[in-house]
Amino acid sequence: EPEVTQTPSHQVTQMGQEVILRCVPISNHLYFYWYRQILGQKVEFLVSFYNNEISEKSEIFDDQFSVERPDGSNFTLKIRSTKLEDSAMYFCASTGDTGELFFGEGSRLTVL
Amino acid sequence: AQSVTQPDIHITVSEGASLELRCNYSYGATPYLFWYVQSPGQGLQLLLKYFSGDTLVQGIKGFEAEFKRSQSSFNLRKPSVHWSDAAEYFCAVVPKRGSTLGRLYFGRGTQLTVWP
Repeated sequence: EPEVTQTPSHQVTQMGQEVILRCVPISNHLYFYWYRQILGQKVEFLVSFYNNEISEKSEIFDDQFSVERPDGSNFTLKIRSTKLEDSAMYFCASTGDTGELFFGEGSRLTVL
Repeated sequence: AQSVTQPDIHITVSEGASLELRCNYSYGATPYLFWYVQSPGQGLQLLLKYFSGDTLVQGIKGFEAEFKRSQSSFNLRKPSVHWSDAAEYFCAVVPKRGSTLGRLYFGRGTQLTVWP
């Protein structure tokens, strides 16, 4: 069964460092998303991406964040200068014609 | 304010017992409604969804959910719980106005523990 894969599963970084989280969406999907879940809080939408550009972003997705689809398979989330409050589980998702979101297993980011 | 509420943070049931997880939403128009499950170390998996039509929706793994407009609820049920159902369950919505289908608003989740 096709699935969304995310790497790394866990990353520990120092405050102020840049982090790139990687996702490989399902191959024939065209819409891509990043969500995050801070420990003990709700899963929150960050950004959606279609046709090589951001289609929607939340207020959380400020200038510190960027997304990219550098090639035909990867979809990345970059945090330019991490803050303590960026510590969270980050979920990538993709969807095709049905509109159903398929989520990856998540990347846990710990900022020290 | 628009919100999705799952009032139960943690529920414990015995294997074989019935289960109901509650979800209420507060939106002007009935949104699209979803239930997701997350097992430890796994991603979020869609159990079922409601867009329109029959208010009783069947999903995977023997789950069903009933949409009740009068109560703004979309409760998840299973008649007989299995130990493998232990997981965290998330209710989510997509507002019908002003939002793309992929932008989900989640409840805080309900952690289900199943006793043998």
